[in-house]
Amino acid sequence: NAGVTQTPKFRVLKTGQSMTLLCAQDMNHEYMYWYRQDPGMGLRLIHYSVGEGTTAKGEVPDGYNVSRLKKQNFLLGLESAAPSQTSVYFCASSYWGQENTGELFFGEGSRLTVL
Amino acid sequence: QQQVKQSPQSLIVQKGGISIINCAYENTAFDYFPWYQQFPGKGPALLIAIRPDVSEKKEGRFTISFNKSAKQFSLHIMDSQPGDSATYFCAASSAGNNRKLIWGLGTSLAVNP
Repeated sequence: NAGVTQTPKFRVLKTGQSMTLLCAQDMNHEYMYWYRQDPGMGLRLIHYSVGEGTTAKGEVPDGYNVSRLKKQNFLLGLESAAPSQTSVYFCASSYWGQENTGELFFGEGSRLTVL
Repeated sequence: QQQVKQSPQSLIVQKGGISIINCAYENTAFDYFPWYQQFPGKGPALLIAIRPDVSEKKEGRFTISFNKSAKQFSLHIMDSQPGDSATYFCAASSAGNNRKLIWGLGTSLAVNP
């Protein structure tokens, strides 16, 4: 059972380049999320999806785009990378049960450096 | 505006001691409060969670204490072990906010052998 898989795990970009991070989950979860994690700033939500074909903005969406064409995949795109986007990116998927209880399952992260 | 405030930012505890991490929230609509544990190089993983209809939940050495009137909740790690060294995040959620978790900034715990 793979859970949540992120690719690539590491990437170095030059300013202005574009790239796509892929997140795949095999748990049939409706909800998927993209976070970035920076030292001292916790986990900040970039975009999320509540089901196939839907996306919504989180706290820090600027400079990123997402797509959820298939239920199991959630793609995060950087159209024109900037040094401020150097970070560790985490994808998560979740179920939510009765009484608003649930669990987020995270991937192992993608470390992106923008020079 | 940070809706979940977590303290301390870092914590050093001796093996066998008690680790205590505190969180305070502002939104009274929150009705689900999980704690996540993150080891270096890994994604966070759910450790324990509580709903506001109970004041305490215990799972092994980990206990959440919840004070609804004070809008505070805390994680207690009894008999702390070096393997507990990790970053701990508290979070909160309500059904009304599309089930997004609002996160604290994290506490880096080091347990000395």
